[in-house]
Amino acid sequence: DAGVIQSPRHEVTEMGQEVTLRCKPISGHNSLFWYRQTMMRGLELLIYFNNNVPIDDSGMPEDRFSAKMPNASFSTLKIQPSEPRDSAVYFCASSLGPDTDTQYFGPGTRLTVL
Amino acid sequence: GQSLEQPSEVTAVEGAIVQINCTYQTSGFYGLSWYQQHDGGAPTFLSYNALDGLEETGRFSSFLSRSDSYGYLLLQELQMKDSASYFCAVRDRLGGGGNKLTFGTGTQLKVEL
Repeated sequence: DAGVIQSPRHEVTEMGQEVTLRCKPISGHNSLFWYRQTMMRGLELLIYFNNNVPIDDSGMPEDRFSAKMPNASFSTLKIQPSEPRDSAVYFCASSLGPDTDTQYFGPGTRLTVL
Repeated sequence: GQSLEQPSEVTAVEGAIVQINCTYQTSGFYGLSWYQQHDGGAPTFLSYNALDGLEETGRFSSFLSRSDSYGYLLLQELQMKDSASYFCAVRDRLGGGGNKLTFGTGTQLKVEL
């Protein structure tokens, strides 16, 4: 199995630009999670989907962030407009379903906003 | 809300045993997970405890006491490759029927010769 796939692996952009991060979960997994990791705030859950439906988006920092999951094999996290404080590593993770305890993380996208 | 506390750094020598503690405060507690993350890498799952007691997986063991809101990760026969950050994470059930992980701030383990 290829594992969770994220793209791009690195993104450098300028303040005010739109950024789109992409994730392909492990085939057959029904739950998908977006996390953000920074030195200051650690690993934070941004949003969580179950069967393509957003379950909890309370971690999304503000309206500039949005996430979609149009089908079981693809999700996007969009930041518009981006700000320097959005610089972080963004991880996508998937799990078999809501009753499983193991989440499988993708390699992450390192975002730098200048 | 949820909060977790774990030491920020632990140093040990190769071949030794090290214990990383985690205390938590949460509503709707469902279980405690442990993840390992090497520098520049992604978190990877190590273990999960839903019930009190010790779970053993090779050189790694994890313990949970629900009454004390406390758990630990025990690493035996330390190897240099065990140098990494270790996160405890509380699992609680969301109202929508899903499960959510709240991560601690992580413990950086340094294994020395």
